[in-house]
Amino acid sequence: AQSVTQPDIHITVSEGASLELRCNYSYGATPYLFWYVQSPGQGLQLLLKYFSGDTLVQGIKGFEAEFKRSQSSFNLRKPSVHWSDAAEYFCAVGVKAAGNKLTFGGGTRVLVKP
Amino acid sequence: NAGVMQNPRHLVRRRGQEARLRCSPMKGHSHVYWYRQLPEEGLKFMVYLQKENIIDESGMPKERFSAEFPKEGPSILRIQQVVRGDSAAYFCANSRGPLYQETQYFGPGTRLLVL
Repeated sequence: AQSVTQPDIHITVSEGASLELRCNYSYGATPYLFWYVQSPGQGLQLLLKYFSGDTLVQGIKGFEAEFKRSQSSFNLRKPSVHWSDAAEYFCAVGVKAAGNKLTFGGGTRVLVKP
Repeated sequence: NAGVMQNPRHLVRRRGQEARLRCSPMKGHSHVYWYRQLPEEGLKFMVYLQKENIIDESGMPKERFSAEFPKEGPSILRIQQVVRGDSAAYFCANSRGPLYQETQYFGPGTRLLVL
């Protein structure tokens, strides 16, 4: 069965430090990959997406992610975290053969220390 | 172009009542999806609709849940005879086209609390 794993449930990072959030998936076909961010009580905002082409993708708010097919990973990074980045981050994967639905990871909650 | 609109934002129901959740997609976005987020979990796909058609309902519980997207008006997710386990955030997403061409944009969600 298709699955998406975000191994880190919580991450605490100091403001100004770098951040990396991990995402691994298990799919047989080439996936479409997304990262969304959710602030408390809010909906999901798209940070970035990978459909094809360059495996390093740039998103909003200074985030980037790299698709590594050999590792079935799509990790999210930010070089310098701001206090406003405290939120929950979800990796999502879709596969054309599986229809139009997204499969989400369990999320990683990021806490930013002053 | 306004974003995806959902209402109500919060809904409280007693066990056995009906819950109706509405989703008005963005202009030009004819593909609608419903996802459910249980407390402390990620989102789980429920159903995918296009105008007047249910395309994929593989994530929808077999009983008490139904969804529609009529020719006119918003998409509706209906939960009959709610139980406490239905308490969750329900998110609507929309896109212009299929997943491999277009991004899904999410609404703010409806948070359902069943007492």
